[in-house]
Amino acid sequence: DTAVSQTPKYLVTQMGNDKSIKCEQNLGHDTMYWYKQDSKKFLKIMFSYNNKELIINETVPNRFSPKSPDKAHLNLHINSLELGDSAVYFCASRLSLTGSGANVLTFGAGSRLTVL
Amino acid sequence: AQSVTQLGSHVSVSEGALVLLRCNYSSSVPPYLFWYVQYPNQGLQLLLKYTTGATLVKGINGFEAEFKKSETSFHLTKPSAHMSDAAEYFCAVSGSGGGADGLTFGKGTHLIIQP
Repeated sequence: DTAVSQTPKYLVTQMGNDKSIKCEQNLGHDTMYWYKQDSKKFLKIMFSYNNKELIINETVPNRFSPKSPDKAHLNLHINSLELGDSAVYFCASRLSLTGSGANVLTFGAGSRLTVL
Repeated sequence: AQSVTQLGSHVSVSEGALVLLRCNYSSSVPPYLFWYVQYPNQGLQLLLKYTTGATLVKGINGFEAEFKKSETSFHLTKPSAHMSDAAEYFCAVSGSGGGADGLTFGKGTHLIIQP
C-alpha cells in the first residue's frame, strides 16, 4: 500500500486554466504539507496543515488554495495557471506531536505540472 | 530561523571512490538533521537522520553522516560509490520544538558517478 499517494502524476494544461492535485496518506499522520520543487530542484514549503488546520502559509500567490477535508487528505487547487507554476509539487506527511521534530517526513511521488 | 547550505550543486566521483556530500546548517535550537535522496522522476526517500545521541549515524545503502556541532555540519559519506547512487541528495533541518513547521531543505547536490 502506498503511504502517501498523489494524483495525477502528470498534468499538462494551458495558461489560465484551473487545476487540482489530490493527496492522501494512510499513515495515521496528523500533519500534511505541500512542497514545490522548481526546475533547479529547489524544494520550498508552500503549506502545512495540522488536523485540518492551516499552520504554514508561505508567500504563495492566492491563486493557490489548499483544502484539507480530513487529516488524511490535503488537496491543492490552482486558479488561473501561469507559466511559472510549472514545477513538481510534492505532498508529504508527518506525525507532529510536541517535540516531534525528529519525526520523518514521508513524501509522495510528486505531481509534475506543465503549463503551456 | 533555520537554514541549510549544501556546498557543491554537482559532485562527480568515479565508481568505487569515496562519496562526500557537504552540508552545513544554521539553527537557533538543537537541530534534527536529515538526508534525503531523490532518484530521477521519483519522490524523496529518507537516507538517514540525526536526532540525539550518537553523532555518527548510519543509513540505507551504505551511507552515513556525522553530526559535528562545533562545525555546524552534517556531511554525508559513502566509502565506495556505486552507479546506482547517482541521484539528487538533499540535506534538511527541523527544529526540535515541533513538527508542524516541516523541514527546511538545502538546494540539493547532484551526484554523478563516472564509470
